[in-house]
Amino acid sequence: GAVVSQHPSWVICKSGTSVKIECRSLDFQATTMFWYRQFPKQSLMLMATSNEGSKATYEQGVEKDKFLINHASLTLSTLTVTSAHPEDSSFYICSARVGGGILQETQYFGPGTRLLVL
Amino acid sequence: TQLLEQSPQFLSIQEGENLTVYCNSSSVFSSLQWYRQEPGEGPVLLVTVVTGGEVKKLKRLTFQFGDARKDSSLHITAAQPGDTGLYLCAGSVAGGGADGLTFGKGTHLIIQP
Repeated sequence: GAVVSQHPSWVICKSGTSVKIECRSLDFQATTMFWYRQFPKQSLMLMATSNEGSKATYEQGVEKDKFLINHASLTLSTLTVTSAHPEDSSFYICSARVGGGILQETQYFGPGTRLLVL
Repeated sequence: TQLLEQSPQFLSIQEGENLTVYCNSSSVFSSLQWYRQEPGEGPVLLVTVVTGGEVKKLKRLTFQFGDARKDSSLHITAAQPGDTGLYLCAGSVAGGGADGLTFGKGTHLIIQP
């Protein structure tokens, strides 16, 4: 149980294009999903919290107009990197929280999406 | 300032040795999770601890949550090459109001055969 998928697993794009990454909870409903970014040899940095049916909450320093997040259903959240530039190249990981109960803060992570902007 | 200080950052030991990874903070956490991440993959949950003083065991891995819920440790006995990976502690600050997890910088563990 608690499986999270991401698509695509990797993407290469030209500078200036937009890239959409999907995050799905496969066997549970997730009212809250999270988007993280990870640079090589570093830990995960939270970018934004995505709540179903409402606007995402972005962490300080994360441009909401550049990283568009949509959480249209209880099983799907999308992250769109708009007008991508080489500095946006990174490993993007989503997670979903299994709501309710004492373990409600536990998050289950997707396999990640490697983005390379040329 | 790193909210969760994880140490050591890098550790390379021989197969069969024991090791301990520490995760410390000045803040109180309502819960704390330990994850293991392989290169190019997302973190995989190992354990969640929620009660101060709690000890959980997962085969050769022993996890402990400090009494004050400000620190945690991961102890591996008789390490094996398959234990190689990045170990991350993460938690939610009690009463912090933030939903996302705060991660430590991670411990890169290499077990040499």
